[in-house]
Amino acid sequence: QVQLQQWGAGLLKPSETLSLTCAVYGGSFSGYYWSWIRQPPGKGLEWIGEVDHRGTANYNPSLKSRVTMSVDTSKNQFSLKQSSVTAAETAVYYCARGYRTGCSSTTCYAWFDSWGQGTLVTVSA
Amino acid sequence: DIQMTQSPLSLSASVGDRVTITCRASQSIRRNLNWYQQKPGKAPRLLIYAASALEGGVPSRFSGSGSGTDFTLTISSLHPEDFATYYCQQSYSNFPYTFGQGTKLEIK
Repeated sequence: QVQLQQWGAGLLKPSETLSLTCAVYGGSFSGYYWSWIRQPPGKGLEWIGEVDHRGTANYNPSLKSRVTMSVDTSKNQFSLKQSSVTAAETAVYYCARGYRTGCSSTTCYAWFDSWGQGTLVTVSA
Repeated sequence: DIQMTQSPLSLSASVGDRVTITCRASQSIRRNLNWYQQKPGKAPRLLIYAASALEGGVPSRFSGSGSGTDFTLTISSLHPEDFATYYCQQSYSNFPYTFGQGTKLEIK
């Protein structure tokens, strides 16, 4: 049974860089797509991006210029860095395991089947 | 981006009721649609993937249907632990994946 455990700084000032790490226990690190998803208080879910075990990343275009995701396969960990945060980006940030199957030339079936516990990141001056 | 619109946004029901939640995509997403359940203070939990496939360990009272732009999540007989917020998510357009606004299911 895979488990994802995440950590990182919970209080930032505007313009600082958010940094979170997620460790994967009890499952394979390769063959999956490791995502970050955020949820502002009382609101819905927003996909930030994903990275695979080779370090190939895909980002939400709305955040692409400020986001970097990386992996450390020796530790089965992946990380998120998001620069120049604003108060509007106060949210619970989740790491999640993404699985893809049935891919055609243009699309795949993909879903998030395991999630971390979430980290509340508050951005405040 | 593909927009996902859920209805209703909130719903009151009683234990034992049959409940249906709808998710509509702004364009055809074939069957690339997943459903999640989220309880307060917890991470989402995958219920249904590829529109109608039940995730392992999820009770059979949950079912999903639909294709193209219109999808439904049905709970055949509500249990007390089913009161939560439900989200749909599309994976047809990979980047970005997008979620519906959520439907909050409350006890009547």
